[in-house]
Amino acid sequence: GAVVSQHPSRVICKSGTSVKIECRSLDFQATTMFWYRQFPKQSLMLMATSNEGSKATYEQGVEKDKFLINHASLTLSTLTVTSAHPEDSSFYICSARAQPGQGYNEQFFGPGTRLTVL
Amino acid sequence: QKEVEQDPGPLSVPEGAIVSLNCTYSNSAFQYFMWYRQYSRKGPELLMYTYSSGNKEDGRFTAQVDKSSKYISLFIRDSQPSDSATYLCAMREVSGGYQKVTFGIGTKLQVIP
Repeated sequence: GAVVSQHPSRVICKSGTSVKIECRSLDFQATTMFWYRQFPKQSLMLMATSNEGSKATYEQGVEKDKFLINHASLTLSTLTVTSAHPEDSSFYICSARAQPGQGYNEQFFGPGTRLTVL
Repeated sequence: QKEVEQDPGPLSVPEGAIVSLNCTYSNSAFQYFMWYRQYSRKGPELLMYTYSSGNKEDGRFTAQVDKSSKYISLFIRDSQPSDSATYLCAMREVSGGYQKVTFGIGTKLQVIP
């Protein structure tokens, strides 16, 4: 149990385009989903937290108009990188935390999406 | 000073060795402690989590928490080449509502056959 998927696994795009990344919890309902980015040899950096049906909470320094997050259902959250630039190239990872009572107390991570902006 | 300190390594050990991975932290409010394993170009996988101080064992893995020293450890017995990965410690406070997890930078482990 506790499987989280992400799509796509890898994307290459031109500067100025927008990219959407999907995160799904496959076998549990996720009250909360988290979006992280990870640069080489650096730790996971939390970008934002999304709760189903409400606006995402962004960490300090993360532009909410650039990184659009939608958490439309208990199993799906999307991150859209708008007007992507080369400095947005990174490894984006989502994680999900189950609703209370489902037996999973911690975050489970997706496999990540490697974004390369040319 | 970072909230969580972790030596990035790399740490190279021969197959069969006992591996010790460690993190220190500064926030005394941390109560939940986790270890994640991350293979190259993959998302982190939860290995173990413990609440407050003490030991927890799961197969070849043992997690230890010493809150008095603000120090946590992960031991891997009989290490295998398949254990080669980056190991991240993580921790969070216990409080109502949203609980942010703070991660260490990760220690890269290589187990040599």
